[in-house]
Amino acid sequence: DAGVTQSPTHLIKTRGQQVTLRCSPKSGHDTVSWYQQALGQGPQFIFQYYEEEERQRGNFPDRFSGHQFPNYSSELNVNALLLGDSALYLCASSLAGVLTDTQYFGPGTRLTVL
Amino acid sequence: DAKTTQPTSMDCAEGRAANLPCNHSTISGNEYVYWYRQIHSQGPQYIIHGLKNNETNEMASLIITEDRKSSTLILPHATLRDTAVYYCIVRVAYGNKLVFGAGTILRVKS
Repeated sequence: DAGVTQSPTHLIKTRGQQVTLRCSPKSGHDTVSWYQQALGQGPQFIFQYYEEEERQRGNFPDRFSGHQFPNYSSELNVNALLLGDSALYLCASSLAGVLTDTQYFGPGTRLTVL
Repeated sequence: DAKTTQPTSMDCAEGRAANLPCNHSTISGNEYVYWYRQIHSQGPQYIIHGLKNNETNEMASLIITEDRKSSTLILPHATLRDTAVYYCIVRVAYGNKLVFGAGTILRVKS
């Protein structure tokens, strides 16, 4: 158990809708990264939040946005959902400023877009 | 793109050592080698990481060649619960993202 929690576990939405996914990092961690994993593929980096700001971003459109709260928890928002957004969304937490800042993953949120 | 090359799949007998190879011939001096595994539909699980020395923890051993162009993850006594996709990743420290490839599907058979 990595100590990272995500909610909800599963979610079903229709095209055009908006969705918010939530992540609580492992105790003591201050950095949250989000990944998208399509079926049969490895996870793809979406973005990373530290000190309530987006620090890095992968190759994802602006429909994907995020937020980090003062307690280090984070949200991932996706607007105007497309069928291709169906995936497992993973959150990983780590501690900034440490040379080997290992990322620990949560169980993921399975999003299905119909 | 991932900077590592791994076999698509491997089989291992239960109780035997599982040796998973990874090629990272373009690794830079400040990049670490990380290993994660993912059991079906769960989040990736951190296994081990190293820079240039061999590393061992309660889960596995990591052997990195002297030129750092390849490494091997060793699960000393594989069990059925070790059946998973294993990802080898090279990564610069200090906050950088993980870039996943396709990984190796390890099937442990009784």
